[in-house]
Amino acid sequence: NAGVTQTPKFQVLKTGQSMTLQCAQDMNHNSMYWYRQDPGMGLRLIYYSASEGTTDKGEVPNGYNVSRLNKREFSLRLESAAPSQTSVYFCASSEYGRTGYGYTFGSGTRLTVV
Amino acid sequence: KQEVTQIPAALSVPEGENLVLNCSFTDSAIYNLQWFRQDPGKGLTSLLLIQSSQREQTSGRLNASLDKSSGRSTLYIAASQPGDSATYLCAVREAGTALIFGKGTTLSVSS
Repeated sequence: NAGVTQTPKFQVLKTGQSMTLQCAQDMNHNSMYWYRQDPGMGLRLIYYSASEGTTDKGEVPNGYNVSRLNKREFSLRLESAAPSQTSVYFCASSEYGRTGYGYTFGSGTRLTVV
Repeated sequence: KQEVTQIPAALSVPEGENLVLNCSFTDSAIYNLQWFRQDPGKGLTSLLLIQSSQREQTSGRLNASLDKSSGRSTLYIAASQPGDSATYLCAVREAGTALIFGKGTTLSVSS
């Protein structure tokens, strides 16, 4: 099925460990995004990539890095995980179409940092 | 800084009722507004997208309106069903940025 694929779906890390969350889309979208969702906080933008080769910080970028590997893939890296980074992470992509900018979200990665 | 607020935070209704979810935003300079649905433990599903030049969009039992000048949008759900139980998220897109989300309204429809 066409859409946004995130891996892994679940992950438990120890404080200080590093990991990379992977995201790939097969809709030929130019723009991709990483959000985190926390109870009572809603979805907050971490980083986004308006097009291949560009990345920009969102509302909560501290502690994260991103790589837009190619048009399809946008990864999020935690260099030294902290308990405050326990969250659900969503990747999304968007493209301007007939009805405007439509967004497609992945199913999320549930990360726990202990 | 754009802020998106959704009221109420939670809503419980019996099956068959018509209901309205509210969304407000502080800066009217938006490109579009989008309503999403999120089921527990799942990702987001786009329901309706309203361009800044539009007043409303309809899909089946859902109708979303937009009043950009007053910074408000409503999502109307007709003849609610238990399968409509989910969290509904409102998000706006400004120039050159990604979506800015409200915290959502959690809807429970009882049979």
